Amino acid sequence: SQQGEEDPQALSIQEGENATMNCSYKTSINNLQWYRQNSGRGLVHLILIRSNEREKHSGRLRVTLDTSKKSSSLLITASRAADTASYFCATIETSGSRLTFGEGTQLTVNP
Amino acid sequence: KAGVTQTPRYLIKTRGQQVTLSCSPISGHRSVSWYQQTPGQGLQFLFEYFSETQRNKGNFPGRFSGRQFSNSRSEMNVSTLELGDSALYLCASSLGLGARYTGELFFGEGSRLTVL
Repeated sequence: SQQGEEDPQALSIQEGENATMNCSYKTSINNLQWYRQNSGRGLVHLILIRSNEREKHSGRLRVTLDTSKKSSSLLITASRAADTASYFCATIETSGSRLTFGEGTQLTVNP
Repeated sequence: KAGVTQTPRYLIKTRGQQVTLSCSPISGHRSVSWYQQTPGQGLQFLFEYFSETQRNKGNFPGRFSGRQFSNSRSEMNVSTLELGDSALYLCASSLGLGARYTGELFFGEGSRLTVL
């Protein structure tokens, strides 16, 4: 079963706009990660945020984590057509070591 | 540094056959995890190997098995294939056990299995 649920399932925006994706999870976590997957390819790690962190930045990416609401958001600023991909959140439970993925958000950035 | 290599990239099998997929992790990585990705079920954890031992296992039937060799290379095997086994099988490696302490997993490009 999936640990995370992502919202929206699909998002279509114009180049230059910001894209926000949300992820909710069910259990206590050690950290939360975001991955990107181009169609039919492997996953690429984007950013990791630990349970004691609230916000993290990496280039055009901004991730927030609210452990009280068991939710996270990924913001991509000034999006580009090359950002078109599926984005997954993944969590590691405090009691385990496996990474559990959400269902993903399909982002389309139109030129 | 070479990334995670999975072979074969594509394969077609028929029901009842078996298949073996191979994964070579990044040099120095001792942990290998396997995931199944399908449109309906998303990314599902299969198992994780560390130092030639299975450390974690997902909720898959016994037809799904794997192993890890002393050089950290891993194989997974699916016997008596069913139509529902059609999926993208992804392998990921990391330095330590899972992503708990070391953070990210490094994924290969996957093996696309089609069962007819």
